Amino acid sequence: SAVISQKPSRDICQRGTSLTIQCQVDSQVTMMFWYRQQPGQSLTLIATANQGSEATYESGFVIDKFPISRPNLTFSTLTVSNMSPEDSSIYLCSVEVRWQGDYGYTFGSGTRLTVV
Amino acid sequence: SQQGEEDPQALSIQEGENATMNCSYKTSINNLQWYRQNSGRGLVHLILIRSNEREKHSGRLRVTLDTSKKSSSLLITASRAADTASYFCCLSSDTGANSKLTFGKGITLSVRP
Repeated sequence: SAVISQKPSRDICQRGTSLTIQCQVDSQVTMMFWYRQQPGQSLTLIATANQGSEATYESGFVIDKFPISRPNLTFSTLTVSNMSPEDSSIYLCSVEVRWQGDYGYTFGSGTRLTVV
Repeated sequence: SQQGEEDPQALSIQEGENATMNCSYKTSINNLQWYRQNSGRGLVHLILIRSNEREKHSGRLRVTLDTSKKSSSLLITASRAADTASYFCCLSSDTGANSKLTFGKGITLSVRP
């Protein structure tokens, strides 16, 4: 199955600044997914990133706040812009993997963001 | 989109005991997946069960699916301290490249050594 390297693993940022999170996959994948997990909560899908096209954002998430890049089939970045304390969360990237007729999703190790 | 509801929210057991976690949902699904998340880390895929399957095994894991009751259970047998984590059920209502996942809020499992 795919292995995802995500960085940074954590950061503490000042409000009003931006943070870019990177995910590198060890194989080519069509779609990459970005999730947010607020403290004690479940995962919420932010957007789906396809190579060569604009990301598709879920309701409640906009490109100006969470711009995404997908320059090739193994890499993607998510930027959290103009941060506020409400953006403090774990951010995770994910890709679909298939094996022996089954499938699931592999996740990066997450970026724990604290905005002060 | 619907969200699976896990039950209980938290579970504490002794090492060696079995842990049973449940997930209920409201509308039809294509498949249901269980994931584990160790504290502050990414999610690890545990097992997938399709809507036409009733039971599946993987090592110490056993998952069941009852589509008539719209519920699933995850059983971890002979639990270990290393099983301490949060467990999420995840619903997939679409197939193929357009599938989207909806996660429940998770169950916190503590296994006491």
